[in-house]
Amino acid sequence: GQSLEQPSEVTAVEGAIVQINCTYQTSGFYGLSWYQQHDGGAPTFLSYNALDGLEETGRFSSFLSRSDSYGYLLLQELQMKDSASYFCAVPRAGNNRKLIWGLGTSLAVNP
Amino acid sequence: DVKVTQSSRYLVKRTGEKVFLECVQDMDHENMFWYRQDPGLGLRLIYFSYDVKMKEKGDIPEGYSVSREKKERFSLILESASTNQTSMYLCASSSPGGGIETQYFGPGTRLLVL
Repeated sequence: GQSLEQPSEVTAVEGAIVQINCTYQTSGFYGLSWYQQHDGGAPTFLSYNALDGLEETGRFSSFLSRSDSYGYLLLQELQMKDSASYFCAVPRAGNNRKLIWGLGTSLAVNP
Repeated sequence: DVKVTQSSRYLVKRTGEKVFLECVQDMDHENMFWYRQDPGLGLRLIYFSYDVKMKEKGDIPEGYSVSREKKERFSLILESASTNQTSMYLCASSSPGGGIETQYFGPGTRLLVL
């Protein structure tokens, strides 16, 4: 079957850098996505990696290693507003319109 | 600007009631989804629709049904609400293209079944 694993909680301080890891098991790989969800809010798309390497979007970067079935989200210059849950997701084998979701990583940014 | 709206932010219903949750998207997306989100369980897919009148069961369809009569609207129906259906319900839409399926979510409906 398909599954994703990510840490349940991460804590960091303002201004720091934090890395949220995601390992996946899937047959047929179409890419790894990351979503952010603030408490009480809707998930919003952050990034997508289909190929190996680092994709940078402002303070956020996402990395993928297909040979290791592993990716991470890197958040730099952390701000209080980055406190949220972060989900990794991959398209389902056999129907890539649907996603398999990790359980989410709750990031707490402290002053 | 991309927009997915849901009919209610908060809803309180009694056990046994029939509950309708409505979702509307204005992006002309083919695909629409209903998820429920519970603490520690992440996002679980209830139903998926890839076209008008077309639907597929997700991972937890029991106790739910859906309707998609128009492309922009996807309804989730709880035929007879039960307390274990108390949850946050999230609607999303997406469109294929460029090898990436980005899902756009509505604000969610927090349903309490008493």
